[in-house]
Amino acid sequence: EPEVTQTPSHQVTQMGQEVILRCVPISNHLYFYWYRQILGQKVEFLVSFYNNEISEKSEIFDDQFSVERPDGSNFTLKIRSTKLEDSAMYFCASSETGQGNYEQYFGPGTRLTVT
Amino acid sequence: AQRVTQPEKLLSVFKGAPVELKCNYSYSGSPELFWYVQYSRQRLQLLLRHISRESIKGFTADLNKGETSFHLKKPFAQEEDSAMYYCALSGQGDDKIIFGKGTRLHILP
Repeated sequence: EPEVTQTPSHQVTQMGQEVILRCVPISNHLYFYWYRQILGQKVEFLVSFYNNEISEKSEIFDDQFSVERPDGSNFTLKIRSTKLEDSAMYFCASSETGQGNYEQYFGPGTRLTVT
Repeated sequence: AQRVTQPEKLLSVFKGAPVELKCNYSYSGSPELFWYVQYSRQRLQLLLRHISRESIKGFTADLNKGETSFHLKKPFAQEEDSAMYYCALSGQGDDKIIFGKGTRLHILP
């Protein structure tokens, strides 16, 4: 069964550094998402992406964040200058369609630790 | 405001006993409700959604619009049901899913 994959599984970085988290969505899916989960807190939506542009983003997704689909398979989340509070589990997800009757398939997550 | 509330952080139930995981939501329109599950060392996966009205792994959930609830139930718990369960909603026209904080279900032998 096809799955969403994410790399790396764990990333440690110093405050102020840039990080890029990578995801390979399921191949026939058209909608892509990033969520994050700070330890002990709920899973929070960051951004959705369709047709090579952001379709929806949350308040968390400020100018420090960006997303890109650099080729036909990868979907990346970049944090320009990491802060301690960016430490979290980051989940990528994809779905065949958006809005309404769809299922979002989640990747295993990347644990980001900012020191 | 859109919100999902799961009042129990941890629920311990004996094997064979009934399970009910509570979920209440706040949304001004007609949301789509989901239950996601995360087994140990596995990814988050969809368990069921109200629109399909299916029973998955013996679990059911009924949307009660009057009480704004979507409780997850199973008549007889099994040890393999031990996992983290997240109630979630998606609003009309929204891409995003809003999650509750989750309830850890621990099935006692």
